[in-house]
Amino acid sequence: DAKTTQPPSMDCAEGRAANLPCNHSTISGNEYVYWYRQIHSQGPQYIIHGLKNNETNEMASLIITEDRKSSTLILPHATLRDTAVYYCIARGATDSWGKLQFGAGTQVVVTP
Amino acid sequence: NAGVTQTPKFRVLKTGQSMTLLCAQDMNHEYMYWYRQDPGMGLRLIHYSVGEGTTAKGEVPDGYNVSRLKKQNFLLGLESAAPSQTSVYFCASSIWGGSYEQYFGPGTRLTVT
Repeated sequence: DAKTTQPPSMDCAEGRAANLPCNHSTISGNEYVYWYRQIHSQGPQYIIHGLKNNETNEMASLIITEDRKSSTLILPHATLRDTAVYYCIARGATDSWGKLQFGAGTQVVVTP
Repeated sequence: NAGVTQTPKFRVLKTGQSMTLLCAQDMNHEYMYWYRQDPGMGLRLIHYSVGEGTTAKGEVPDGYNVSRLKKQNFLLGLESAAPSQTSVYFCASSIWGGSYEQYFGPGTRLTVT
C-alpha cells in the first residue's frame, strides 16, 4: 500500500468547512483512497473512499487531484461532534484480505 | 441492526491468565478482523478471517489465537496474558476484502497487570 502523509493537527470553526489534505505521491493505479475517523475512545468510522473521481456522501466530499498524488476530505459544515483523528489510507483493490494500514492521522479540533 | 458489537468493554487480567474477547456482527459480512491500538499509535492487525471456518495471521499475531466457528462471530483468545498485551482491541467486519469498507466495533479496553 502507498504511504500517505497528513498534517498532525488542524483546527476548524464550528459551521465552517473543514478541508483535510492528504499526500499519496506513490499511489498506484489500482489503489483507492479511504478516509476513516476515530472519535476519542471509539472505534474507527468509515467516511468515504474513491479511486479517480470526486465522491460525495452524506458525511463528506472527497476531492482527488487529476494525477492522484493528493486528495482533500471536505466536511462541509463542521460540528463539535466532528472533533476526531482523521486517517487517510491508500489501499489496493487487489488487496484481497483487506488490511487497513493506519498512520498517525490528523487530529481535527472543531471549536465553537 | 446493531452492526459490530464487542464483549466485554473492559477487562483487567493478571499476567498468565487467559480470556476470550467476542466480536459479533449482524450484517452478514464475510470478512472479520481483530486489531489492537496502543496509546498514541495507529491500529495494527492481529488476525483476520475471510469466511466461516477460516482464519489467518495479520501483522502482530503472536500471543493470540482466533476462531470463526459461526459466520457472525469472531473470537480472539489470549492463552497467557502478558503486560505487553495491554491495549484497546477493535473488531471490524466487511462484506468482502479488497476495496470494501470496514465497520468497527466500540472496542475492548484490556489491562494486564
